Amino acid sequence: GENVEQHPSTLSVQEGDSAVIKCTYSDSASNYFPWYKQELGKRPQLIIDIRSNVGEKKDQRIAVTLNKTAKHFSLHITETQPEDSAVYFCAASYGGSTLGRLYFGRGTQLTVWP
Amino acid sequence: DTAVSQTPKYLVTQMGNDKSIKCEQNLGHDTMYWYKQDSKKFLKIMFSYNNKELIINETVPNRFSPKSPDKAHLNLHINSLELGDSAVYFCASSQAGTANTIYFGEGSWLTVV
Repeated sequence: GENVEQHPSTLSVQEGDSAVIKCTYSDSASNYFPWYKQELGKRPQLIIDIRSNVGEKKDQRIAVTLNKTAKHFSLHITETQPEDSAVYFCAASYGGSTLGRLYFGRGTQLTVWP
Repeated sequence: DTAVSQTPKYLVTQMGNDKSIKCEQNLGHDTMYWYKQDSKKFLKIMFSYNNKELIINETVPNRFSPKSPDKAHLNLHINSLELGDSAVYFCASSQAGTANTIYFGEGSWLTVV
């Protein structure tokens, strides 16, 4: 099965700085890569996703890049704010499956200091 | 108008007891899941049902038994609870064929004492 590695496990930045979280995956058939944000005591919520036919996607301060050759994808948050503090999960979807088999990374605890 | 709702939100119970967690989704999705999140925040899939049919059954003790009476509901029953079962259990749903975007419920905090 798929194996998703996520780094770093913790990340502390000053408000206004950028934050980058990186993930690698093992199965070249994976073709869907969502990112979830989980605030303390809350559910994971989808913040952005990317498919394998796209190299980059941006939504305001959040962007995701995908390198299929190297099998890695990254989340970039610019102009970080204290409310960005949360655990972020990357995930990869098993190629060809229509049944939502998502493999999650182990999460990154992002702390943004004011 | 909660999309994926699960009950109870908090559950404290003694070892050896049997408990159930219920989940309902009103998104019209045909696939539902149970995920377990341990104390280290790792999200691990337990089960997946598509149109009431069991699709994914990870290596989970058979004390855990999911039941899907219809495609909008997926309940989780746990027998003979153990201390190691303490975790947050998330129900989730998705629509097959829509890039696997998964929507999570609010979670059920299970504490076994």
